[in-house]
Amino acid sequence: GQQVMQIPQYQHVQEGEDFTTYCNSSTTLSNIQWYKQRPGGHPVFLIQLVKSGEVKKQKRLTFQFGEAKKNSSLHITATQTTDVGTYFCAANFGNEKLTFGTGTRLTIIP
Amino acid sequence: NAGVTQTPKFQVLKTGQSMTLQCAQDMNHNSMYWYRQDPGMGLRLIYYSASEGTTDKGEVPNGYNVSRLNKREFSLRLESAAPSQTSVYFCAGRRRGEANEKLFFGSGTQLSVL
Repeated sequence: GQQVMQIPQYQHVQEGEDFTTYCNSSTTLSNIQWYKQRPGGHPVFLIQLVKSGEVKKQKRLTFQFGEAKKNSSLHITATQTTDVGTYFCAANFGNEKLTFGTGTRLTIIP
Repeated sequence: NAGVTQTPKFQVLKTGQSMTLQCAQDMNHNSMYWYRQDPGMGLRLIYYSASEGTTDKGEVPNGYNVSRLNKREFSLRLESAAPSQTSVYFCAGRRRGEANEKLFFGSGTQLSVL
């Protein structure tokens, strides 16, 4: 089936350090979305990337979509305690379904 | 706007019991989805409905049935619950044709099957 791999599964960082999570697919994607889930909460949409090589920024968050539209990354600069949570990519293979990665759980050491 | 509303929030079942998880949205979503979330496995799609009157299987449909009663409501039924169905269940909806066809999630149902 169509799958998307996400790494790492866990990341512990000191407050102020950077954080990156990666998603990879073996097949070309139509687009990819990113979601954040706070502990005990539900996933909340962050952004959608559609174009090959696209880069989008939201304050300290930078999202990239690979040239081949098979991989994507989310980078957080200078993490803060409010960044704690699990970050998911969600891949669209060109149909009605969104396939989620397994998520990266970010914890911050104050 | 209430958004996407799921009921109940918590449920404990005995093996073999049946129950229906309810989901309703007031955001004019065309498509609705049921996901389950298990530790280390992310969100896995159970069933989805691209439009009123249609339903399709996702990655893990076995043991579940769904019903798209109307545009607003999409229910998930467990006919004979099993311990392997212990999970957190999320309903989600989205509107097609927008610039960002993002999913809006309900707050989840934590289900334990003993």
